[in-house]
Formats: sequence, C-alpha cells, structure tokens
Amino acid sequence: DAKTTQPTSMDCAEGRAANLPCNHSTISGNEYVYWYRQIHSQGPQYIIHGLKNNETNEMASLIITEDRKSSTLILPHATLRDTAVYYCIVRPPSYNTDKLIFGTGTRLQVFP
Amino acid sequence: NAGVTQTPKFRILKIGQSMTLQCAQDMNHNYMYWYRQDPGMGLKLIYYSVGAGITDKGEVPNGYNVSRSTTEDFPLRLELAAPSQTSVYFCASSYAGLHQETQYFGPGTRLLVL
Repeated sequence: DAKTTQPTSMDCAEGRAANLPCNHSTISGNEYVYWYRQIHSQGPQYIIHGLKNNETNEMASLIITEDRKSSTLILPHATLRDTAVYYCIVRPPSYNTDKLIFGTGTRLQVFP
Repeated sequence: NAGVTQTPKFRILKIGQSMTLQCAQDMNHNYMYWYRQDPGMGLKLIYYSVGAGITDKGEVPNGYNVSRSTTEDFPLRLELAAPSQTSVYFCASSYAGLHQETQYFGPGTRLLVL
C-alpha cells in the first residue's frame, strides 16, 4: 500500500478556507485517495475520496494533482467544529478486503 | 438506523482478566473491522471480517480473538489482558463490493488494563 505524508499540525482562522496537503508519491494507478477525520475521542468520520478527478461534496473538496503524487483537502469555510485530526489514506480497489491504513494525520486547529 | 454501536464505553481490567467488546451494526454491511488507537497515534487494524463466518488478521492481532456468527455482530475477545492492551478500540463496518465504499465507525470503547 502506498504511504502518505502529512504535516503534523496546522492552524486556520474560523471562516477561512483550510487547505490540508498530503503527499503520496508512490501511489499506484488504481489506488484511491481517501480522507477521514477524527474529532476528539470520537470514531473517524469519512469526508471524501477520489481517484484522479477533483471531487466536491457537502463537507469538502479534494484536489488531486495531475501526476497524482499529492492531494489537498479543502474545507471552504472552516468552523470551530472542524477542529480534528485529518487522515489522508491511499487505498487500492480491493474486492476482497477493505482495509484502511491510518497514519498519524494532521491535527487541524481552527481558532476564532 | 443506529449505525455502529459499541459496548461498553469504558472498562477497567486487571492483568490476566478476560472480556468481550461488543460491536453491532444495523446497516446490513458485509464487512466489519476492529481497530485500536493508542494515545497520539493513528488506528491500527486488529481483525476484520468480510462476512458471517469469515474472519482474518489485521496488523496487530496478537492477544485478541474474534468471531462473526451473524452479519450484525462482530465481538472482540481479550483472553488475558495485558497493560499493552490499554487503548481505545473502534469497530467499523462497510458495504464493500466492486465499488469503493466508506467505513462507518462506532464511538469506541476505552479500555484500561492495570
């Protein structure tokens, strides 16, 4: 499985866009990029995923570079409730298992 | 739907004791997972199941056992608790097939082994 590299921590002002980077330079052609977040002490929560096209949903946008070696999760208008640890995960399309390999993620602190 | 539920929320065990962490889901998901999360770390997969009667080891299976007799339930058994098993345990489920699907996590069980 491809490994990911994320900054340990980031700060963002409330109301501003939070841009969380992720490097996955060894990603394979059929591997997806997933983002989950974990708000303090809770179970992780799915945010978004993509293969090579940019994706947007009600929570966030995912921008994947053309060479697919990095991606950015964008929270367009961060709120205090977005303070959490954000995990970038690269995962192959497995038809037999659905395992997620979590790293240590990026701790995002949104301040007033 | 209740989603993924876990019991108990918190438990203190003495070294050598045994216990079962319960996990249930009502979403008719075929896949279920157990993770543990040590302080300041990411989640590590303990065991997973792709359907009733089928289980397999994850990254850190030693000291644990699982069973999957029904689609809904996936209990995790600790036979001889050790301090190294102090952690937060998360259960998750997903419906995985030919398309990518997401995992839904329970609220976690905090276990302290003294």
